Amino acid sequence: GAGVSQSPRYKVAKRGQDVALRCDPISGHVSLFWYQQALGQGPEFLTYFQNEAQLDKSGLPSDRFFAERPEGSVSTLKIQRTQQEDSAVYLCASSPGTGREQFFGPGTRLTVL
Amino acid sequence: AQTVTQSQPEMSVQEAETVTLSCTYDTSESNYYLFWYKQPPSRQMILVIRQEAYKQQNATENRFSVNFQKAAKSFSLKISDSQLGDTAMYFCAFSWNSGNTPLVFGKGTRLSVIA
Repeated sequence: GAGVSQSPRYKVAKRGQDVALRCDPISGHVSLFWYQQALGQGPEFLTYFQNEAQLDKSGLPSDRFFAERPEGSVSTLKIQRTQQEDSAVYLCASSPGTGREQFFGPGTRLTVL
Repeated sequence: AQTVTQSQPEMSVQEAETVTLSCTYDTSESNYYLFWYKQPPSRQMILVIRQEAYKQQNATENRFSVNFQKAAKSFSLKISDSQLGDTAMYFCAFSWNSGNTPLVFGKGTRLSVIA
């Protein structure tokens, strides 16, 4: 079946604009994760959903970041009033559940000018 | 909090040779999972191999194997018969409940396989 997909693949935003990043997980995957990967660094956790419930949002860097997964499938990561330090690759991963690996999408590269 | 350290920012290896990538971690958990992920220049993160901490036997996956030293909190990746397609960033990662908890990543090692 299809893997995790993310859109858009590239996004350029002017400072202060709002952006929305979409993640389509593998069908049937219960868990969904968002990570932020700065240039030359490893991914860092942002937030995690189990079905539609957001169980952990401790990694969100500020209240400008908001994520949702209203029907337990597609998820959207929204960043309000983007800042230059938000420039990064945003990775989405999904998993069938306990004991299983996370499958990653190709990421969205966000550049804030 | 868990931390993962990869002390080799860059490495290179000749095609067909063997290379070992290092990783150490810190945790107070007794059971957990360790992973090596590969991220080629196209950016899609791919699982290479994983190890469950309660299993003493080192995991192997074709040309990839790990040396898991639980007491030393060390988890190195050995790539045998290196191929040009192995060129990528390699990330070591930790999770205390695979699939249901976030991964904690190291900073990565950039591996170049030279023809």
